Amino acid sequence: EIVLTQSPATLSLSPGEGATLSCRASQSVSRYLAWYQQKPGQAPRLLIYDASNRATGIPARFSGSGSGTDFTLTISSLEPEDFAVYYCQQRNNWPLTFGGGTKVEIK
Amino acid sequence: EVQLLESGGGLVQPGGSLRLSCATSGFTFSNHAMSWVRQAPGKGLDWVSRISDSGSDTHYADPVKGRFTISRDNSKNILYLQMSGLRAADTALYYCAKGIAAASSFESWGQGTLVTVSP
Repeated sequence: EIVLTQSPATLSLSPGEGATLSCRASQSVSRYLAWYQQKPGQAPRLLIYDASNRATGIPARFSGSGSGTDFTLTISSLEPEDFAVYYCQQRNNWPLTFGGGTKVEIK
Repeated sequence: EVQLLESGGGLVQPGGSLRLSCATSGFTFSNHAMSWVRQAPGKGLDWVSRISDSGSDTHYADPVKGRFTISRDNSKNILYLQMSGLRAADTALYYCAKGIAAASSFESWGQGTLVTVSP
């Protein structure tokens, strides 16, 4: 099973600041990595798929990069609605796996 | 508009069974792989099972293999999860998730149905 390790666990930032979230895989997942955002009481929302493709309707301030074992989700300038938990997920191997999440909180 | 509506959750005793359903609309159901993903209270996301667009190919997470069965009815646009031998560790909110075509990145999610396994 591929283990996805997200860091940091919590990121404390102010609106307007940039955020960099990391996801590291225990073995290569090629570019088959997605990022999701989840707010309290809501279902997850797909942000990025296949490492760098923005999903429909996702603002340009969200971008993804990486391949192999190291991936990054970048939020260029945090808006108030971006404070949430972010998960990465790989689809290169069965079973599909998620990372443990990074909480982006207001400083 | 894509809609995924889960149902069938509830309180069940350990060892019991439940069948979850996910009624879908707003897209061509038979063109998309579908998955179940669960989230225990206060915890992260755990993928449970995936079924191909035709229903001919299925995959399961190890903790549910042999106990859960995923299926679909493409004539009714409904996804199912038959759960048996339920354990306390299966307590979670169960989401139905739509894949991007045949791929297993989840572009749409339902609001979930809560399964509680307790004596």
